[in-house]
Amino acid sequence: AAGVIQSPRHLIKEKRETATLKCYPIPRHDTVYWYQQGPGQDPQFLISFYEKMQSDKGSIPDRFSAQQFSDYHSELNMSSLELGDSALYFCASKKPGRGVDEQYFGPGTRLTVT
Amino acid sequence: DAKTTQPPSMDCAEGRAANLPCNHSTISGNEYVYWYRQIHSQGPQYIIHGLKNNETNEMASLIITEDRKSSTLILPHATLRDTAVYYCIVRRQGGSEKLVFGKGTKLTVNP
Repeated sequence: AAGVIQSPRHLIKEKRETATLKCYPIPRHDTVYWYQQGPGQDPQFLISFYEKMQSDKGSIPDRFSAQQFSDYHSELNMSSLELGDSALYFCASKKPGRGVDEQYFGPGTRLTVT
Repeated sequence: DAKTTQPPSMDCAEGRAANLPCNHSTISGNEYVYWYRQIHSQGPQYIIHGLKNNETNEMASLIITEDRKSSTLILPHATLRDTAVYYCIVRRQGGSEKLVFGKGTKLTVNP
């Protein structure tokens, strides 16, 4: 079965650079979530999109922005990178339906800021 | 969302049942109990969820107390591949509800 695809899987950037993380949800899934997991920490919600509109926002820095495109893939743009942005970034998707709840997570992108 | 409390770590022998407890004493009537797990640095994986009745699927069973203030996730025959951090999350069902991960329980299955 198709899974959530994230690219790149690993990314190394220097301080003050920019990074773009991509997420391709499972086909026909209409909701995408982004989570950040710092070293030794638990995943923290950043932002979500439903039908290409932002649906919820968590503790996402102003330096970060995200969007969902017409094909439902999503991109997380990160600017002025800081050392503390080094983390695993997970994307998850959910299929349509009021009672449908299960979020399917991708393998993550490991971002290292040096 | 209601707060959950889980033990930080547990051990289990391979082949035995793993019983992971979760306290959620402030759960409200329209909130469900969800369980996810994260195997070392992989994306979290949905396990099961329930409202007030016990639930069972191919992965696990979920036992929710009658007052709904606590629950237990049961892995009936734990294997080494079940070693992971298990998260108990309380939230409303549906919509685009985010997951709020707490500290979770690190389950180690020993040979």
